[in-house]
Amino acid sequence: QQPVQSPQAVILREGEDAVINCSSSKALYSVHWYRQKHGEAPVFLMILLKGGEQKGHDKISASFNEKKQQSSLYLTASQLSYSGTYFCGTDTGNQFYFGTGTSLTVIP
Amino acid sequence: NAGVMQNPRHLVRRRGQEARLRCSPMKGHSHVYWYRQLPEEGLKFMVYLQKENIIDESGMPKERFSAEFPKEGPSILRIQQVVRGDSAAYFCASSRDYGELFFGEGSRLTVL
Repeated sequence: QQPVQSPQAVILREGEDAVINCSSSKALYSVHWYRQKHGEAPVFLMILLKGGEQKGHDKISASFNEKKQQSSLYLTASQLSYSGTYFCGTDTGNQFYFGTGTSLTVIP
Repeated sequence: NAGVMQNPRHLVRRRGQEARLRCSPMKGHSHVYWYRQLPEEGLKFMVYLQKENIIDESGMPKERFSAEFPKEGPSILRIQQVVRGDSAAYFCASSRDYGELFFGEGSRLTVL
């Protein structure tokens, strides 16, 4: 039931790009993305609804392929502030599960 | 407009005692979720509640753990006869319908 994220961890230099993938075994109504910094609560980034939409703000965007039950988060020109653990959250209609998490570290 | 409020922020209990964690959702939110997080691990779903109803408790251990979200007052996660393995951060999140989840700051339980 828990969606699987890949990669588990990634280290980037400032300015590099990264892609985080989220895959579910169940049909999804929507996918959420959250970022959690160490010792803090998760913070909402964006939500994607059925329809294969793509969203983004600033240099962080995401896509949702409902047929494949997959979503990807794209971080371009990464900044130090992007460091944290990224979780996808999948909504099947009556259940909401977070993915396994991807630890992202941006170094100068 | 206050966010999701959790208390206590930190709780220390000895083995065998009870722990009660409270969560007041954001105003207008009727959906409450509880998650457990061990150090350096992800958020593990425990239970999803709407006012006076448990919608999904598939992530909650069958014994010692219970949750409620009464018509009035906060949602409560109750852990009876705590053991060392219950030590974790417990996060509550609320949402209006099936939209964005707003998280509380978490309650960190330490069992001695």
